[in-house]
Amino acid sequence: EVQLLESGGGLVQPGGSLRLSCAASGFTFTTSAMSWVRQAPGKGLEWVSTLTTDGTTYYEDSVKGRFTISRDNSKNTLYLQMNSLRAEDTAVYYCARTVPVGGTDFWGQGTLVTVSS
Amino acid sequence: IQLTQSPSSLSASVGDRVTITCRASQGINNYLAWYQQNPGKAPKLLIYAASTLQSGVPSRFSGSGSGTDFTLTISSLQPEDFATYYCQQLNSYPSFGGGTKVEIK
Repeated sequence: EVQLLESGGGLVQPGGSLRLSCAASGFTFTTSAMSWVRQAPGKGLEWVSTLTTDGTTYYEDSVKGRFTISRDNSKNTLYLQMNSLRAEDTAVYYCARTVPVGGTDFWGQGTLVTVSS
Repeated sequence: IQLTQSPSSLSASVGDRVTITCRASQGINNYLAWYQQNPGKAPKLLIYAASTLQSGVPSRFSGSGSGTDFTLTISSLQPEDFATYYCQQLNSYPSFGGGTKVEIK
């Protein structure tokens, strides 16, 4: 059974940092491109970042320079380091597997990040 | 690449045929996926590569289109289909459409 379990969300003040983790199981993590997608309360889905199997990283413009996606293949874990957080980063953050052409087929349950003073 | 979904919401009855459109601001080589999301849940992949049904998804769901104009069709709406639907392009930096909420009439 495929599982993506996010952790690390919570309440943080503006300007603060958080690191999200996503533990993967049930599929071959090392050969999978992985992404973070977020959803602000009551809003639509927003792609945040993707990390391909060859280590190439892609970021949405509003998080470029503030967020860093990384992975530890020995632990089957994906990370998102989030710095200089802003109120508009408040959202549920989903970890997901992205298949080139094939869409995003596996999703975690999401972890809520709230940026507020 | 901007994706424009229409309508943003619709009301329909069980058994109705429902069509949702997604227009891209430029050609996306059919690298388009459709998702269903229920409140408080993660999205679920329905269709990829514009028209390929994801394994396990009921055949009443279908996708079509090419270039910049795409369509998701539900041939006979079922009670479990009342949800919000999103399109996503994967031709370049991924992006999502704004969503279509399908409500009970």
